[in-house]
Amino acid sequence: EVQLLQSGGGLVHPGGSLRLSCEASGFTFSSYAMSWVRQAPGKGLQWVAGITGSGTSTYYADSVKGRLTISRDNSKNTLYLQLDSLRAEDTAIFYCVKVGGNVQVFFDYWGQGALVTVSS
Amino acid sequence: IVLTQSPGTLSVSPGERATLSCRASQSVGSTYLAWYQHKPGQAPRLLIYGASSRATGIPDRFSGSGSGTDFTLTISRLEPEDFAVYYCLHYGSSSRFTFGPGTKVDIK
Repeated sequence: EVQLLQSGGGLVHPGGSLRLSCEASGFTFSSYAMSWVRQAPGKGLQWVAGITGSGTSTYYADSVKGRLTISRDNSKNTLYLQLDSLRAEDTAIFYCVKVGGNVQVFFDYWGQGALVTVSS
Repeated sequence: IVLTQSPGTLSVSPGERATLSCRASQSVGSTYLAWYQHKPGQAPRLLIYGASSRATGIPDRFSGSGSGTDFTLTISRLEPEDFAVYYCLHYGSSSRFTFGPGTKVDIK
């Protein structure tokens, strides 16, 4: 059974940093691209970052480029999201997602979500 | 690519049919179009991938169709558990993903 277990959310001051983790199980982690998706309060879903299975390539939404860093440790089956220079508008639930499909590409499994609150 | 979903809110009675639209700002490959259901306090759930293929375990009252710029999610007979927000998702050539703004399906 595929499981994505997230940790690391919490309250952080504006300008601060936080690291989210996502431990994967039930599949060959290094074979799959992964992404992070967030949902701000009262807003829709927004893709923020993606990484290839090997970790050699990363991709970011323009709105977070330079402040969020996605990475992975395939030896630990864990995906990370480093959030720096946080702003109030970064307050959101962050979801770790597995990219599925062969020809098609979509998010087939989601973590439980981690709430990041940026407030003074 | 920008995805537009309509209507923003759809009020439907249980047992009725719901038709949700997702329109892309330019033609996209149906291979890379998916639909999700999202309920408060839960992670989103994959319904449809490749524009028309149902994900594992999804009831056959959910169907997807479309090509080019216009895609549709149809719920043939709404069950009480189907009231939620629905999002379309596109995977683009630059390895980036775009969600539509969502359609809320609520009880009439």
